Amino acid sequence: DTAVSQTPKYLVTQMGNDKSIKCEQNLGHDTMYWYKQDSKKFLKIMFSYNNKELIINETVPNRFSPKSPDKAHLNLHINSLELGDSAVYFCASSQGTTGYEQYFGPGTRLTVT
Amino acid sequence: GNSVTQMEGPVTLSEEAFLTINCTYTATGYPSLFWYVQYPGEGLQLLLKATKADDKGSNKGFEATYRKETTSFHLEKGSVQVSDSAVYFCALMVNTGFQKLVFGTGTRLLVSP
Repeated sequence: DTAVSQTPKYLVTQMGNDKSIKCEQNLGHDTMYWYKQDSKKFLKIMFSYNNKELIINETVPNRFSPKSPDKAHLNLHINSLELGDSAVYFCASSQGTTGYEQYFGPGTRLTVT
Repeated sequence: GNSVTQMEGPVTLSEEAFLTINCTYTATGYPSLFWYVQYPGEGLQLLLKATKADDKGSNKGFEATYRKETTSFHLEKGSVQVSDSAVYFCALMVNTGFQKLVFGTGTRLLVSP
């Protein structure tokens, strides 16, 4: 069974569209994250939720809105997509917010044309 | 601020060669240090970690020692295999407040038979 899963794996869309990426974890963790990996492979955290509550919100445009319907899910909605949003987005989860390993999903490659 | 600097790749080696990937960090407080590996088309996997000075993390033949005096966490392996070809990320986590991983830029390793 996949521990952290993301859908879709690939997403190609045009500028100005709105899209969502879904993430689910079956590890029983209470903390989930979204990371963005740019074309140079640089990884940076975007958001973190603990028990459905937002606890980390880096300097991310407000076109990006995470939503956590329950502890096992963290979705990422992006409005008015721009070329610069093209990247690989990784979801991760951990048990707790301090000192715990983060488990990563396989990533969603978003291409904005 | 907190940051991680890794050697630029790609690192190209022949099978059974010795591997070193350099990593240095800047951090406030006392961070935990990690090496993550990303195989082609996959998400990140934790390779090893160290939580305090002089700790040595090891896994699958890879080792890294937490050197506080040189603020370094270099990754080593005595004999690489073709299957080790991947991108390796050094990361830190400062143990205060809500923790987040700060990644280096990644180093691509290519091992040829």
